[in-house]
Amino acid sequence: LAKTTQPISMDSYEGQEVNITCSHNNIATNDYITWYQQFPSQGPRFIIQGYKTKVTNEVASLFIPADRKSSTLSLPRVSLSDTAVYYCLVGPNDYKLSFGAGTTVTVRA
Amino acid sequence: DVKVTQSSRYLVKRTGEKVFLECVQDMDHENMFWYRQDPGLGLRLIYFSYDVKMKEKGDIPEGYSVSREKKERFSLILESASTNQTSMYLCASFETRDRGEETQYFGPGTRLLVL
Repeated sequence: LAKTTQPISMDSYEGQEVNITCSHNNIATNDYITWYQQFPSQGPRFIIQGYKTKVTNEVASLFIPADRKSSTLSLPRVSLSDTAVYYCLVGPNDYKLSFGAGTTVTVRA
Repeated sequence: DVKVTQSSRYLVKRTGEKVFLECVQDMDHENMFWYRQDPGLGLRLIYFSYDVKMKEKGDIPEGYSVSREKKERFSLILESASTNQTSMYLCASFETRDRGEETQYFGPGTRLLVL
């Protein structure tokens, strides 16, 4: 399993863009990068997944450089409801994914 | 929408009791998982199952067992509950599909307190 490192916490204000970078230096060729979001007292929820370059959906963007040793989740114009824990996971197609402690993002008014 | 349900949101048990946590998914997924979540430790995988009657140990299986008699149901069993098993337990289901669509679907969690 590729080990991931991400900041423990980040603070932001409403309307700002939040970028969370995850390091995964020993990512394998067949590994994908997946991000989940978890609100208090709820299970995690899938946000976005990518292999290389850039992926965008209605919730976030995921930037992956050519060496794939890191990735950045970008949340545009956050609101108070984006306050949550964000997890970066790295693994192959059918592998059980392990969640670390994640990044606690706090959005303030 | 995929729905994963867990039998209880909150549970209080006594040390030594046998505890059953039930998880049901309605999307005919082959893969199901049990995690526990503790502050500062993230989610840790206890057991997972790729098919009916099939199970494999995750990272922290000690003190737990599982049962998968039907595809939609995955049960976590604490044979003799201990206080260090007080935690939030999360069940998830997952289907291997084409890349770009894979995701784990989580239940709401069961917060277990062992006294």
